[in-house]
Amino acid sequence: GQQVMQIPQYQHVQEGEDFTTYCNSSTTLSNIQWYKQRPGGHPVFLIQLVKSGEVKKQKRLTFQFGEAKKNSSLHITATQTTDVGTYFCAGEGGGSNYKLTFGKGTLLTVNP
Amino acid sequence: KAGVTQTPRYLIKTRGQQVTLSCSPISGHRSVSWYQQTPGQGLQFLFEYFSETQRNKGNFPGRFSGRQFSNSRSEMNVSTLELGDSALYLCASSLAVGRGETQYFGPGTRLLVL
Repeated sequence: GQQVMQIPQYQHVQEGEDFTTYCNSSTTLSNIQWYKQRPGGHPVFLIQLVKSGEVKKQKRLTFQFGEAKKNSSLHITATQTTDVGTYFCAGEGGGSNYKLTFGKGTLLTVNP
Repeated sequence: KAGVTQTPRYLIKTRGQQVTLSCSPISGHRSVSWYQQTPGQGLQFLFEYFSETQRNKGNFPGRFSGRQFSNSRSEMNVSTLELGDSALYLCASSLAVGRGETQYFGPGTRLLVL
């Protein structure tokens, strides 16, 4: 079945440093979504990427979808303490498979 | 609009018991998905319901079951609880099933099995 791998599992940075998490799928995806879960909270939708090579920005966050639609990345510029949390990617398969497969997430901690 | 609500928020059960969790989706949302979240396995898909029909199912044993009512509210049931069922159970609603539907998650039910 479809697998979505996400690395790194953990990342600790100093405030102001950049952060990147990577997501790789075993199969071609129709789209990929990114979610953020604050400690003690629940996942909250950030963005969806659909097109091959797509790049989207939300303030300090930059999301990319690979040309082959099998990988994606989330880059945060100049991290802040409010960025702390676990970032999940979730890939949706092709065909009639609408099921979202989540990566295991990257836990980001930021030292002020 | 009110968000997704889940009840109860916390639950303690013992091995062998059964448990029912409830989820009320965002008003107007007709699809409800359930996920199990554990530190080791991350977010694992249990099942998805739309219009009272199960549309997708993950790789969980038959002890895990669910249903959806005509008002889109959903319940999931776990019978014969095992220690490994201790987890955060998240419900997510979306407008419909289909390509690219955004999942809106509830706060979850934290289940501890002793």
